[in-house]
Amino acid sequence: DGGITQSPKYLFRKEGQNVTLSCEQNLNHDAMYWYRQDPGQGLRLIYYSQIVNDFQKGDIAEGYSVSREKKESFPLTVTSAQKNPTAFYLCASSIGRGVASGELFFGEGSRLTVL
Amino acid sequence: KNEVEQSPQNLTAQEGEFITINCSYSVGISALHWLQQHPGGGIVSLFMLSSGKKKHGRLIATINIQEKHSSLHITASHPRDSAVYICAVYLGNEKLTFGTGTRLTIIP
Repeated sequence: DGGITQSPKYLFRKEGQNVTLSCEQNLNHDAMYWYRQDPGQGLRLIYYSQIVNDFQKGDIAEGYSVSREKKESFPLTVTSAQKNPTAFYLCASSIGRGVASGELFFGEGSRLTVL
Repeated sequence: KNEVEQSPQNLTAQEGEFITINCSYSVGISALHWLQQHPGGGIVSLFMLSSGKKKHGRLIATINIQEKHSSLHITASHPRDSAVYICAVYLGNEKLTFGTGTRLTIIP
């Protein structure tokens, strides 16, 4: 079945370590997004990509990096520069070229805890 | 002040009741999304609206662009409808502003 796969589901990290969260989709969608969810807050956009080899910063990009080498894959690296990385991370994709033109499809999320 | 306000924050109802969740926003938008987040954290898109009304099964979503307001209705509610319902508005440049969600609990 088509969908978005995020891994790992749970991840623990020591302070000072970089970690990479995987996001793979087989929906043939052009647009992909990374969101962060914290308790009591709405989702916030970290990065998005509308086409291979191109991506744009969202509202809270500091301390994160992404790549889009293949249409299907949009990994997120949480670097040691991210001051408060403990959060729930959601990857999404959209049919067409973005959120104004179509439905959003989400992965199951990755919960990162910094020890 | 948040650009997107949802009400109520929490809602508990008996199975079979008609449910209404509200979303108000403060700026002009071109699209609004309703999402459902399950207890495990996964999110499912329910509707994307730019005007009028949409219906899917027992779910109905409406939007009034002039009043900057949208509602999500659930008819004949069921315990499996228990989830967090999130409204998100599109402001441009691929950015959605999300509400903080309405936690719905349906009691059998």
